[in-house]
Amino acid sequence: GAVVSQHPSRVICKSGTSVKIECRSLDFQATTMFWYRQFPKKSLMLMATSNEGSKATYEQGVEKDKFLINHASLTLSTLTVTSAHPEDSSFYICSARARTGRNTEAFFGQGTRLTVV
Amino acid sequence: LAKTTQPISMDSYEGQEVNITCSHNNIATNDYITWYQQFPSQGPRFIIQGYKTKVTNEVASLFIPADRKSSTLSLPRVSLSDTAVYYCLVGDRGRGSTLGRLYFGRGTQLTVWP
Repeated sequence: GAVVSQHPSRVICKSGTSVKIECRSLDFQATTMFWYRQFPKKSLMLMATSNEGSKATYEQGVEKDKFLINHASLTLSTLTVTSAHPEDSSFYICSARARTGRNTEAFFGQGTRLTVV
Repeated sequence: LAKTTQPISMDSYEGQEVNITCSHNNIATNDYITWYQQFPSQGPRFIIQGYKTKVTNEVASLFIPADRKSSTLSLPRVSLSDTAVYYCLVGDRGRGSTLGRLYFGRGTQLTVWP
């Protein structure tokens, strides 16, 4: 299947700094990408929908100034956690949907473990 | 937005067939049903997708009754490596180039014992 690559796989940063997470679709063009966060033993929570060339659409309760999303090309979306605090520590996962024949599938990155100290 | 309900956990033994049922009473006409598998600290992995009746691939089968208000993921002869969380998602394909969002429910923790 299609491959979505996320980088870095884990990152530790100090409180107050910003962290950028990259999500790339390696072998297909992704006009739409999605960003999720997941707390331990919890389900994935959709944060925002990233559309190439336009502003991201954020889910209710997600601070757009806190979680900056840029989707500058058909193969790259980035999530920047600004002024990170310990409560932002979480597992962040990106996803890209692609049409495969008559169906569509969502392909997920391997996730990024963010720890804010 | 169609909400899904799955059992929180299931246990099985190696070599058995496992059936995980998901209810989605408010499924819309355009919605597809998709199942994902997630191991700890990894992104979800696509298992199977269907719209109605039965779909089978090399790893699983998906049974969808005519009213589409539920679906059952069937895993034949599970092994220890099938221990994971399984998510049932309902969503549409979106319109044009804007593909639909996917919202995850709680999922089912499947534990396979030797």
